[in-house]
Amino acid sequence: TQLLEQSPQFLSIQEGENLTVYCNSSSVFSSLQWYRQEPGEGPVLLVTVVTGGEVKKLKRLTFQFGDARKDSSLHITAAQPGDTGLYLCAGTDQGGSEKLVFGKGTKLTVNP
Amino acid sequence: ETGVTQTPRHLVMGMTNKKSLKCEQHLGHNAMYWYKQSAKKPLELMFVYNFKEQTENNSVPSRFSPECPNSSHLFLHLHTLQPEDSALYLCASSPEWTANYGYTFGSGTRLTVV
Repeated sequence: TQLLEQSPQFLSIQEGENLTVYCNSSSVFSSLQWYRQEPGEGPVLLVTVVTGGEVKKLKRLTFQFGDARKDSSLHITAAQPGDTGLYLCAGTDQGGSEKLVFGKGTKLTVNP
Repeated sequence: ETGVTQTPRHLVMGMTNKKSLKCEQHLGHNAMYWYKQSAKKPLELMFVYNFKEQTENNSVPSRFSPECPNSSHLFLHLHTLQPEDSALYLCASSPEWTANYGYTFGSGTRLTVV
């Protein structure tokens, strides 16, 4: 069973600070996705990365897929209270399975 | 209404009750999924339906029974549940049975078994 380890588990910061959260695995993934889940809602897809070394930007969010396609990071610049939520990474394995495997998530709180 | 809609949003049921969760998507997607989200655990895939046919049953106990009458609707029938089944049940859909396009999730049903 492939596992995605996310760190840190919890993160509480002040508005305006920068932060990075990580998603790591010992397995190679053919693609990796990041979702944000707000309290009382379902996860919402932020980005999909498929190429090793790929970097994608979504406003103040920067996503990077590791060269070996085993890890990914999400960097938020000048965090805002609206960024508060549970950030989940999810990957599809290289073996051809269509299953999406999720990590446990990083719970981010941005205080005003 | 667009997106993926789940009803009810909250459900409290006794261990001897029978209830059903409903999911409806208006996106024209062909694949639908049931996930279970418990505290301190990753999202757990329960069932996958592709073009109304069940393609995945992830060793889910028989007290959970899915039904997919068409590509737009998905149900999860519940009976004789246990307190450890209390969780957020999420429905998702995707254009095809592949994760490449990402999933669109509903808001979930918060289930409490008493």
